[in-house]
Amino acid sequence: KNEVEQSPQNLTAQEGEFITINCSYSVGISALHWLQQHPGGGIVSLFMLSSGKKKHGRLIATINIQEKHSSLHITASHPRDSAVYICAVRSRGSQGNLIFGKGTKLSVKP
Amino acid sequence: EAQVTQNPRYLITVTGKKLTVTCSQNMNHEYMSWYRQDPGLGLRQIYYSMNVEVTDKGDVPEGYKVSRKEKRNFPLILESPSPNQTSLYFCASSPWTGYNEQFFGPGTRLTVL
Repeated sequence: KNEVEQSPQNLTAQEGEFITINCSYSVGISALHWLQQHPGGGIVSLFMLSSGKKKHGRLIATINIQEKHSSLHITASHPRDSAVYICAVRSRGSQGNLIFGKGTKLSVKP
Repeated sequence: EAQVTQNPRYLITVTGKKLTVTCSQNMNHEYMSWYRQDPGLGLRQIYYSMNVEVTDKGDVPEGYKVSRKEKRNFPLILESPSPNQTSLYFCASSPWTGYNEQFFGPGTRLTVL
């Protein structure tokens, strides 16, 4: 059983659409990260959440600790948002340990 | 420029030939970590280090060694590589363990024949 599950695995959207990517986890966590992996392979951190909601530009991330669920939203999607989005949780019992979801591959068509 | 560097970026080797992948950061970060990425399995943590001389196992440490003798460097050592260690490897660092952002290196693509 995977400790971090993402859905959907693959997502195709038209430019301008509102996009939601979901992440559910089964372990106790101290924080949750959203990462973006570009088509060229590079990985960048987008958000770290321990509660509530964060916004950066067109990206919004939310987390519900009680339900063990987080969502990443992209408003007014653009082809340059095409990437793999990865959820990772920081285990509460081991602060240095990160457990990753398998990623959601997003393709935004013009 | 603040960055995490990895060397080599690409490596093809043979089973059993010891190799080291270097990771270096110039940001004085305390926390460093190694990950491997495989199709269908995603990213998995190999080892991490919360400071100099402090290392701990991640989820897939078998077949790997690390050391953290100085803050900037965190090499990944494969004493006897096997084909199942063929993978894309990423090193990352952050100022401290719970910091809100990790800075990733560019990746090392390793093929073990």
